[in-house]
Amino acid sequence: EVQLVESGGGLVQPGRSLKLSCVASGFTFSNYGMNWIRQAPGKGLEWVAYISSGSSYIYYAETVKGRFTISRDNAKNTLYLQMTSLRSEDTALYYCARGLYPGYNWFAYWGQGTLVTVSS
Amino acid sequence: DIQMTQSPASLSASLEEIVTITCQASQDIGNWLAWYQQKPGKSPQLLIYGATSLADGVPSRFSGSRSGTQYSLKISRLQVEDIGIYYCQQASSAPWTFGGGTKLELK
Repeated sequence: EVQLVESGGGLVQPGRSLKLSCVASGFTFSNYGMNWIRQAPGKGLEWVAYISSGSSYIYYAETVKGRFTISRDNAKNTLYLQMTSLRSEDTALYYCARGLYPGYNWFAYWGQGTLVTVSS
Repeated sequence: DIQMTQSPASLSASLEEIVTITCQASQDIGNWLAWYQQKPGKSPQLLIYGATSLADGVPSRFSGSRSGTQYSLKISRLQVEDIGIYYCQQASSAPWTFGGGTKLELK
């Protein structure tokens, strides 16, 4: 069974940093690109970042480019999102998500999310 | 970036009714379209991928179709467990974008 478990969320002041983690199990992590997707309270879904299976290809939403860094450790089956210069508009539930098939970004598997609250 | 315009934003329907939600892509995305259902307090669930393919475990009353750059999600006979928010998503190219969502309620 595919499982994605996020952690690292919390309350952080504007301008500070936070690092999220997503531990994957139930599939060969190194075969799949991975994503971070977020959802602000009461709002819709926003894709945030993607990293390919071997970390060769990385993409970001314009809203986070230059502030967030996605990375992965295939030996530890773990996906990361380093968030810096956090803003109030970054407040959201952050999900990690895997595509249905390698190379296909239909998000078939989601974690339960980790909540990031940016507030002074 | 590819914009996904979803309509309606909200919808109230009766049990057993046919429900249709549409999504308009701002440019050609072929069949690179997915639909998701999100229930309150839960993570989104993939319903349809490739515009028309049903994801594993999804009831057959759900179906997807495409006409050019317009995509539709149809629920043939609405059930209580179908209540939630529905999103479309283009998987054609980065940045992968979602529609604004359709909140489906029971009348």
